Amino acid sequence: QQQVKQSPQSLIVQKGGISIINCAYENTAFDYFPWYQQFPGKGPALLIAIRPDVSEKKEGRFTISFNKSAKQFSLHIMDSQPGDSATYFCAARRSGGYQKVTFGTGTKLQVIP
Amino acid sequence: GAVVSQHPSRVICKSGTSVKIECRSLDFQATTMFWYRQFPKQSLMLMATSNEGSKATYEQGVEKDKFLINHASLTLSTLTVTSAHPEDSSFYICSARRKGQGGELFFGEGSRLTVL
Repeated sequence: QQQVKQSPQSLIVQKGGISIINCAYENTAFDYFPWYQQFPGKGPALLIAIRPDVSEKKEGRFTISFNKSAKQFSLHIMDSQPGDSATYFCAARRSGGYQKVTFGTGTKLQVIP
Repeated sequence: GAVVSQHPSRVICKSGTSVKIECRSLDFQATTMFWYRQFPKQSLMLMATSNEGSKATYEQGVEKDKFLINHASLTLSTLTVTSAHPEDSSFYICSARRKGQGGELFFGEGSRLTVL
């Protein structure tokens, strides 16, 4: 069972446009929500993360919006650039224990010139 | 920044042989390391969690005798794929949690295993 649902599966955005990726979760035990960027043949790298007591976090061109009541969170990439073309994964970390991280299904973003 | 190194980055082996993949935290101590498996165009699936000095905890459906994990020190964890078969071909990624930190994970670059 997929604990973190992510959409869309793929996304094509014009350079300078806004890329939006959405995620939803069920487990209320999640207490930390990171987004990762992965280029082909490489490991994922942390992009930005948010905790559920905050509704929005912005770092440069990247913004996370978090809706705790709806159990949804999204990544917005402003002024998208061709170099942003990669696969993006949302994730959720479980509180307590080993604090395992569960990944979403991924979104392949292509930014066209 | 924290660096996690995986070795080898690519390995090709014959069916029936065993392959060892190393995961090292280069500039920090990692109390917990995680091993993931990723098939092409798919997400990362957690295989197991390893803690220094104790037995690894495997996710449901992951064969512990097939995927041997050893966390010998605070900077090194190894994954050994025993008696590898073509269906074990995949991209294996480790991540490490820095000791004393709030839970941030640092990922290795991954290891591509191809079993012929």
